[in-house]
Formats: sequence, C-alpha cells, structure tokens
Amino acid sequence: KQEVTQIPAALSVPEGENLVLNCSFTDSAIYNLQWFRQDPGKGLTSLLLIQSSQREQTSGRLNASLDKSSGRSTLYIAASQPGDSATYLCAVNRDDKIIFGKGTRLHILP
Amino acid sequence: GAGVSQSPSNKVTEKGKDVELRCDPISGHTALYWYRQSLGQGLEFLIYFQGNSAPDKSGLPSDRFSAERTGGSVSTLTIQRTQQEDSAVYLCASSLAVGLPPGEQYFGPGTRLTVT
Repeated sequence: KQEVTQIPAALSVPEGENLVLNCSFTDSAIYNLQWFRQDPGKGLTSLLLIQSSQREQTSGRLNASLDKSSGRSTLYIAASQPGDSATYLCAVNRDDKIIFGKGTRLHILP
Repeated sequence: GAGVSQSPSNKVTEKGKDVELRCDPISGHTALYWYRQSLGQGLEFLIYFQGNSAPDKSGLPSDRFSAERTGGSVSTLTIQRTQQEDSAVYLCASSLAVGLPPGEQYFGPGTRLTVT
C-alpha cells in the first residue's frame, strides 16, 4: 500500500532564505508526482507535476526533483517571501488514484 | 478561463440529513475526481469519473456516499444520513483525461461540510 510522508510537518524560516521540503513514498511504481499548495480556506493549487520519467521540474523560484528509485521528492523554494506561507502537499499518482501526504505548513517570517 | 467551481462553499447540516455537493469541472476536462480533507488529515481520494462512468468507487467511505456525473460535465456527491465524522472539506478536481500518465489535476475551492 502506497504511503506518502512529508517532513517536516511545519517549518518557519526568515524571509529571503532558501528552503527544501521533503516528500517520501513507499511504492516507487508511480506515474507522476505533483506538488500543491493550499492556502487557508482555499482549494489546492498545483505547483509542479513531475512525470515518472523526469528528474526535475522548475517554475520560477520553485524546483521539484524526483528520485523514483529511492522514493523521494524535494521541493526547493528560492528566496522565500511572506506570500509563500501556505501548506505544501505532495501527491503521487498511480492507477488513477492520487495519494497525498499530510503536508508541510510553511511560515515565512517577514 | 473559468476554473473548477464547487457549491455550496459551506454547508451546515444536522446529523441524519442528506446533503448534495456540486462540482463544475473545467470545460473540456473529461476526468473528474472527488476528495475529502478531514481536520488534521491528508487528502483522501473518494472517486473519479472518466466521462460519466466511475471505474473506481473503492475510495467511497460507506454506502451512504454516492456520486454521479451527467453529460460528462457537472458531478454531484451525495451523502445520505450524514454523520458527524462526515464533517470535512470536500474537494473536486478535473483533468483533461485519465490516461497513462494521468493529467495534471486542477482543484476547486472545496465545500466545507459541518455535521452537527
């Protein structure tokens, strides 16, 4: 059974710092991995989608990597801003089921 | 263009009542997914539709939950005889297609259901 774990559960960093969020999954047979952000009271916003054949994806200040063999993904946020404060979720997709981690609550200190 | 919309945004209901939650996917998206997020928990997959059919209903928590989709567009998630443990945010997502690999999913704002 696929399990997705995100570490840390919460993180506070000063504005301007670079940071890394971690995601691990137990079954490496995935089709893709997706990173989302969720703001309080809002739905999910897709940030980056990495197909199983890819190693990384970049969008602006965000870079996500995928190592299927070790069951790990990281989300790197460069030059963090207060607007980056949110909960970040990773999700793995297989057989049209998407399994989410419980998220990392990120707080950027102004 | 318009994103995924859900209604109502908030619903408070008494235990034992039935509720219907609605999802309007992005136009042209053939795949539609329902999830729920309970307090302190991750997102839980409930059901997905490819067109009007639901190949995988295994995520539905009990037989009190049902979902349908008509015309390959709007979907409704119905919860009968609601229980307090049904309180959660119910999220809907759509994607262009269900295939290999599955497409990127776009989420609606969710419906916050509170059962008193």
